[in-house]
Amino acid sequence: GDSVTQMEGPVTLSEEAFLTINCTYTATGYPSLFWYVQYPGEGLQLLLKATKADDKGSNKGFEATYRKETTSFHLEKGSVQVSDSAVYFCALSGGATNKLIFGTGTLLAVQP
Amino acid sequence: GAVVSQHPSRVICKSGTSVKIECRSLDFQATTMFWYRQFPKKSLMLMATSNEGSKATYEQGVEKDKFLINHASLTLSTLTVTSAHPEDSSFYICSARHSGSQETQYFGPGTRLLVL
Repeated sequence: GDSVTQMEGPVTLSEEAFLTINCTYTATGYPSLFWYVQYPGEGLQLLLKATKADDKGSNKGFEATYRKETTSFHLEKGSVQVSDSAVYFCALSGGATNKLIFGTGTLLAVQP
Repeated sequence: GAVVSQHPSRVICKSGTSVKIECRSLDFQATTMFWYRQFPKKSLMLMATSNEGSKATYEQGVEKDKFLINHASLTLSTLTVTSAHPEDSSFYICSARHSGSQETQYFGPGTRLLVL
């Protein structure tokens, strides 16, 4: 079945460091790919998405490119801030039901 | 736009009682709503999918008689945890999808349930 694998955390960075959170997927067909962010004690917020190969999703300085050849959707940000500390979930949606399938989440902790 | 609310944000109840959680789409009509459960430091587990006016579709292993879902209108879905027990304590999150975007789900802020 379809699945999402993302790097385990926690990822601890200093402010202004470069961020990469790896995400790879397994799916039949052509899924849409998403990154969601969950701040402490809150629900999930859509961060960015890409619906087809080579699309780049971007928002708030974060970006991710849909790479079909490597089945990846890695999340990057050039300079993280303390306020970026949260759990980041990679997800895919596809097939007849368009259910979201989530990775296990990666905790990002940014230190001042 | 695309705001989803949940009520209550947190609830504490005694074992054996029932708890109802509401999920509302505030500025759009949600043809489909989803209920998830999130365990500490774990990913979200889809419990069920509900379409307005029809019975919910439960995921394998989720007890439909335990977790009652009602999607009475295009802006409201409710999850009732019946005869709650301490093992039902968790973070419950709903999401909603409107007909114009079959891929994107908008999530509520979640409800923290603690059963004593």
